Amino acid sequence: SQKIEQNSEALNIQEGKTATLTCNYTNYSPAYLQWYRQDPGRGPVFLLLIRENEKEKRKERLKVTFDTTLKQSLFHITASQPADSATYLCALVNTGGFKTIFGAGTRLFVKA
Amino acid sequence: GAGVSQSPSNKVTEKGKDVELRCDPISGHTALYWYRQSLGQGLEFLIYFQGNSAPDKSGLPSDRFSAERTGGSVSTLTIQRTQQEDSAVYLCASSFQGAVTEAFFGQGTRLTVV
Repeated sequence: SQKIEQNSEALNIQEGKTATLTCNYTNYSPAYLQWYRQDPGRGPVFLLLIRENEKEKRKERLKVTFDTTLKQSLFHITASQPADSATYLCALVNTGGFKTIFGAGTRLFVKA
Repeated sequence: GAGVSQSPSNKVTEKGKDVELRCDPISGHTALYWYRQSLGQGLEFLIYFQGNSAPDKSGLPSDRFSAERTGGSVSTLTIQRTQQEDSAVYLCASSFQGAVTEAFFGQGTRLTVV
């Protein structure tokens, strides 16, 4: 069955360091991959989208890579800040373009 | 409105009762999605609407769950004969063309079945 795996354990890093979150998937060939941020008690907020033919995407302090051979995406936050503390979800979108499957998310804590 | 609006924000119901959850998407967004999020879990896809039609209902957990969308706008998710395992946060999202563009989520409805 289709499966998305994100680190279930929380990631704790020091302010100013780079946070790297991993998203692995199996039995799926997504056309797109998205990353969302979710704060407690709130709905997810879209951050970045990367297509299957793109290797890397950047937006300000964020960088996403997409390796369809490894079936893996890495999400990097450079110069991390305490305000970056949240849960980050990866989502795979099928070639039909509508059914989006989300991972369970990884909780990030950035310490001042 | 400026964002996706869901109501109620919280709902406590007795086991066996029916509940109706409402989602008001961003004006002009043709795609609407319902997801369910249990504590500590990822988002579980329930159903997707493009306009008023639902091409994919495969995520609905059982025949107690149904959803409709009228006028290409407001959607309601109905759960009949609620069970305790239905307790979760129900999230609605909308997007302009589909999942290839960003989805905007509402705050969710926290459903507790007692």
